Amino acid sequence: EVQLVESGGGLVQPGGSLRLSCAASGFTFTNHYMDWVRQVPGKGLEWVGRSRNKANSYTPEYAASVKGRFIISRDDSKNSVYLQMNSLKIEDTAVYFCARSESSGIHVFDTWGQGTMVTVSS
Amino acid sequence: DIQMTQSPSSLSASVGDRVTITCRASQGIRNDLGWYQQKPGKAPKRLIYAASSLQSGVPSRFSGSASGTEFTLTISSLQPEDFATYWCLQHHTYPFTFGPGTKVDIK
Repeated sequence: EVQLVESGGGLVQPGGSLRLSCAASGFTFTNHYMDWVRQVPGKGLEWVGRSRNKANSYTPEYAASVKGRFIISRDDSKNSVYLQMNSLKIEDTAVYFCARSESSGIHVFDTWGQGTMVTVSS
Repeated sequence: DIQMTQSPSSLSASVGDRVTITCRASQGIRNDLGWYQQKPGKAPKRLIYAASSLQSGVPSRFSGSASGTEFTLTISSLQPEDFATYWCLQHHTYPFTFGPGTKVDIK
């Protein structure tokens, strides 16, 4: 069974840092791009960023709202992708989902994790 | 950035109704569009990819179509389990952008 499981969410003060993890199973992780998407509860979906796979040099992409503050990395030996969030702002409060995509560009966000809640508050 | 507009923002419908949701892209995105269904407290689930291809395991009452920069999700006969929020996503150009969503509830 294809599965993505996020972890690492919690409460953090403004200006603080947090690292989210997404553990993948049931598919060949190295073949896929991995994305992060966030959602303020009750609001819309916002793409956060992407990690390409090794064949595409792990090149990341970021939304303008997080570029320079967030870093996406992955460890193929652990079938995991990470979202390092620095200089957190109150507006970063959201549920963070990881999602799987194929490098072909056709199958995008075809599998999602259950999400992990990040609350930025003093 | 490519802006996605979606209409209606909400609708009330009855079981058995035909429902149509439309997304419009601010510029050409070929057919790089997906449709997602989300129920409260759950992650989104992909229904349609490449504008009109049905995700494996998704009921055939769901269909997608495209005409230029206008994309349509149709539910041919609404079922009780279809009451949810629906999102379109363009993945043609970074940053990927979602439509603002359509909430489908019971009439």
